[in-house]
Amino acid sequence: SAVISQKPSRDICQRGTSLTIQCQVDSQVTMMFWYRQQPGQSLTLIATANQGSEATYESGFVIDKFPISRPNLTFSTLTVSNMSPEDSSIYLCSVAKAGETQYFGPGTRLLVL
Amino acid sequence: GQQLNQSPQSMFIQEGEDVSMNCTSSSIFNTWLWYKQDPGEGPVLLIALYKAGELTSNGRLTAQFGITRKDSFLNISASIPSDVGIYFCAGQNAGGTSYGKLTFGQGTILTVHP
Repeated sequence: SAVISQKPSRDICQRGTSLTIQCQVDSQVTMMFWYRQQPGQSLTLIATANQGSEATYESGFVIDKFPISRPNLTFSTLTVSNMSPEDSSIYLCSVAKAGETQYFGPGTRLLVL
Repeated sequence: GQQLNQSPQSMFIQEGEDVSMNCTSSSIFNTWLWYKQDPGEGPVLLIALYKAGELTSNGRLTAQFGITRKDSFLNISASIPSDVGIYFCAGQNAGGTSYGKLTFGQGTILTVHP
């Protein structure tokens, strides 16, 4: 498995602002994903972060709201734009090497006031 | 889209008891995964299942990949207080536009009384 870190681990933000979350892996991985976990809920896939190209978004998630970057095989960022209280969630990145299962980072706990 | 139904939603058991939880799907998956999430942490992979009918153990945990590829169960034997947490099943497809994507069940909240 890979060692995955996320920054920040938590944040409290004002509505209308944006927050960028970083995901760093200690080794090169094939795939990186971003998930959202709303309070008391399960995990929902936001998008697949593609290295060197635009992310692939799931139904209900758009690039203007959740822009994603993946400049290399060990790093990705997710931005939550123009935040509202409904964006209060845990945001998780996950990674997978070719042919292997997904491992998750520790998550970023976001509270929007 | 694909949906997973995980049950039970919550369980309250005594230390030493066995636990069983399961997931069913409206469509087939190529891989079934079981994760555990502790408070304030990300999900941790417990068991991965890759073949229909496969039965896999990891210590006190045993999981099976259903023959129809639409279901899976997880058993925990002789529960201990550190088993407390939320358990998630997840299904994964191998190819096409769904490659690598996980679909999660709703989770089972496990409480173990000493």
